[in-house]
Amino acid sequence: KQEVTQIPAALSVPEGENLVLNCSFTDSAIYNLQWFRQDPGKGLTSLLLIQSSQREQTSGRLNASLDKSSGRSTLYIAASQPGDSATYLCAVDYNDYKLSFGAGTTVTVRA
Amino acid sequence: SQTIHQWPATLVQPVGSPLSLECTVEGTSNPNLYWYRQAAGRGLQLLFYSVGIGQISSEVPQNLSASRPQDRQFILSSKKLLLSDSGFYLCAWSSRQGGGYEQYFGPGTRLTVT
Repeated sequence: KQEVTQIPAALSVPEGENLVLNCSFTDSAIYNLQWFRQDPGKGLTSLLLIQSSQREQTSGRLNASLDKSSGRSTLYIAASQPGDSATYLCAVDYNDYKLSFGAGTTVTVRA
Repeated sequence: SQTIHQWPATLVQPVGSPLSLECTVEGTSNPNLYWYRQAAGRGLQLLFYSVGIGQISSEVPQNLSASRPQDRQFILSSKKLLLSDSGFYLCAWSSRQGGGYEQYFGPGTRLTVT
């Protein structure tokens, strides 16, 4: 079974601090990895997609890295803002049309 | 641009009643379509996916079913709801872009079975 783990489950930081969110997966034969954001009661918003041939992807204040050999991905959010408060999920695609999701990390950015 | 719609947004149904949730995608053709459920305090569970009209794959045994009557329409149904069917139902679509199936999610339907 392909397992995806996100630690910690919750994180609280003061505004302006950089956020580091971790995602680990047991099977390193991934096709791509996707990071999502979910606000309470809402659907998921895609943040970044990293293909297996890439080591990182960047979008604005967001940077995601991928290390397949160690089974890890990290999402960095620079200079956090209260609007960054949400649950962040990572999901792994093993090229079988389906995503395996982690349970998510709930982030609170304190003003 | 592509848009995904789900309705209704919220639904309260008694145990034993039928269910029909609808999802439609605009702005793309031949998408892969997915139904997920997110129960309170739990992660996303893939229920069904479809790679084409009439092609449905089920991930978990349950009293739910899915159908894809048109290319960009995906329907989740049940003949008799159970209390355990309560949750947040999300539809998603994907298409291959440069080698990756990036998934995009709809706004979700909150189902409460009473």
